[in-house]
Amino acid sequence: KNEVEQSPQNLTAQEGEFITINCSYSVGISALHWLQQHPGGGIVSLFMLSSGKKKHGRLIATINIQEKHSSLHITASHPRDSAVYICAVSWNNDMRFGAGTRLTVKP
Amino acid sequence: NAGVTQTPKFQVLKTGQSMTLQCAQDMNHEYMSWYRQDPGMGLRLIHYSVGAGITDQGEVPNGYNVSRSTTEDFPLRLLSAAPSQTSVYFCASRQVDEQYFGPGTRLTVT
Repeated sequence: KNEVEQSPQNLTAQEGEFITINCSYSVGISALHWLQQHPGGGIVSLFMLSSGKKKHGRLIATINIQEKHSSLHITASHPRDSAVYICAVSWNNDMRFGAGTRLTVKP
Repeated sequence: NAGVTQTPKFQVLKTGQSMTLQCAQDMNHEYMSWYRQDPGMGLRLIHYSVGAGITDQGEVPNGYNVSRSTTEDFPLRLLSAAPSQTSVYFCASRQVDEQYFGPGTRLTVT
């Protein structure tokens, strides 16, 4: 059983649309991470959060500890947002990853 | 800051050969880690270190060794390469709420 489940697996949107990617986890965690992996393979850490909400530019990440659920929102999506978005959870220095959501934003 | 650097970018090994993947960071981060990424499996933690002289196993440690003699460097050693170790390897470092990944090493074992 995977400790981290993401949905959807694939997502296609039109430029300008509001996007939501969901992440559920089954273990007690210290932090939840959202990562972005570009087609070239590089991985960028977008957010690390343990409660509440964080915002960076057009990206917003929320977490509900009681429900073991997090969402990543992208407002006013753009083709350059096309990437794989990966949810991960960490606890006691261990880390587990979701399978990723492949986002394609069409102009 | 160079961030997290990894060498080499690409490597081809024959079964049974050994090699070391290099990882270095210049941000004075205490936590460093190695991951492998395989199609359909996602990222998985191999080994991690919480500081110089301290290492521990992650989810998939078999066939790999690590050491941490300095804060900056965290090399990953493949003792006797096997085709199942064909993968893309990422090193990362983390401090508080900042995490940085290296560019990755694509390893093929034939």
